[in-house]
Amino acid sequence: GAGVSQSPRYKVAKRGQDVALRCDPISGHVSLFWYQQALGQGPEFLTYFQNEAQLDKSGLPSDRFFAERPEGSVSTLKIQRTQQEDSAVYLCASSRAGTSGRTIQYFGAGTRLSVL
Amino acid sequence: DAKTTQPPSMDCAEGRAANLPCNHSTISGNEYVYWYRQIHSQGPQYIIHGLKNNETNEMASLIITEDRKSSTLILPHATLRDTAVYYCIVRLTNDYKLSFGAGTTVTVRA
Repeated sequence: GAGVSQSPRYKVAKRGQDVALRCDPISGHVSLFWYQQALGQGPEFLTYFQNEAQLDKSGLPSDRFFAERPEGSVSTLKIQRTQQEDSAVYLCASSRAGTSGRTIQYFGAGTRLSVL
Repeated sequence: DAKTTQPPSMDCAEGRAANLPCNHSTISGNEYVYWYRQIHSQGPQYIIHGLKNNETNEMASLIITEDRKSSTLILPHATLRDTAVYYCIVRLTNDYKLSFGAGTTVTVRA
């Protein structure tokens, strides 16, 4: 596909369950980002990868959140022992290059996580 | 520590130009102005960006004031499909993150 693909689109988890959210970036894009969007708010930065290296994880809300991109393409965001406050849309974005402010980030449709 | 100020909502008529304002009075010389929009149940979509000069592409025009303290996104002929939340973002040239605010909810009415 031509765009950023995220799966699943919807995930319902029971409190305490572990979840894994997948992101397939645009082919050849070096940079990959995860954002969290609470209901009615703008997306908030979680973490950034350049190829397989996680260069910034300052936005991850707790040590229950873990992201990886082992081969520099597909990325997985894992949330352990989910809590109700983790309910949100998780957005993935990719871009050609890394640190330039001129690069455009392309977003997937997101995964809506509901924790019951 | 919001860097931009946008009206929370605005309506516009289908077929007319929509002018979306954004204030960024503390912008520095090496910060770009970016606009993204987010249609319901979709991810944010890039629209346009600029540094100092006005910019135009197939989606919109971006007018940046000479002092760079504010800008206006212009959708020349709004359609119902332009109904979305529009985000104005100020971004350093070497910054990889996008810092979204609350945006402007734009409703295009027939």
